[in-house]
Amino acid sequence: GESVGLHLPTLSVQEGDNSIINCAYSNSASDYFIWYKQESGKGPQFIIDIRSNMDKRQGQRVTVLLNKTVKHLSLQIAATQPGDSAVYFCAENRRYGGSQGNLIFGKGTKLSVKP
Amino acid sequence: EPEVTQTPSHQVTQMGQEVILRCVPISNHLYFYWYRQILGQKVEFLVSFYNNEISEKSEIFDDQFSVERPDGSNFTLKIRSTKLEDSAMYFCASSLRAEGYGYTFGSGTRLTVV
Repeated sequence: GESVGLHLPTLSVQEGDNSIINCAYSNSASDYFIWYKQESGKGPQFIIDIRSNMDKRQGQRVTVLLNKTVKHLSLQIAATQPGDSAVYFCAENRRYGGSQGNLIFGKGTKLSVKP
Repeated sequence: EPEVTQTPSHQVTQMGQEVILRCVPISNHLYFYWYRQILGQKVEFLVSFYNNEISEKSEIFDDQFSVERPDGSNFTLKIRSTKLEDSAMYFCASSLRAEGYGYTFGSGTRLTVV
């Protein structure tokens, strides 16, 4: 089954509202999580990351929350703008088996921002 | 800002033909990766490469696939005999450190097998 996945395939928000995108993971051995933004025809673009020894990390207009108890990750975007419209992926890095850094991606949530 | 460059942006090939997808990673990065994304699906890991050898590969990366870093600058993915199901976006990525930190992805090559 899916190790890293997203609860909602699409999310539509009004410009200026806050957006919350969720992600679940199943491997408690994962210790590094990343959120990526992917615009049409482009590669994944790093947004923010968090290590498992943290439960919250803030960037510019974005916050990532990690709840290890329920294996849940979320991305919060403050004051969502039309330029935030994209597909958002969470990804995890698994440490078992001597992983050299390959990322396991979730399926993605499409964020649409209405003006 | 340094970037990972991929060429071509779009490649159309006939089933059974060999294709080579090219990537120029960020110059001081040491770890290199190929991922693919079938249209509308998630990004999937193919292979990681470090110190001139494959570090890890997924089930997708079978004998039809190979990677090479021929000249210390380019990083290539070769598919020997393409199948229809190889049609996808192929992303190259590089990082300075292992364990997934500081990844940078290229813009991808769209491979269409007809």
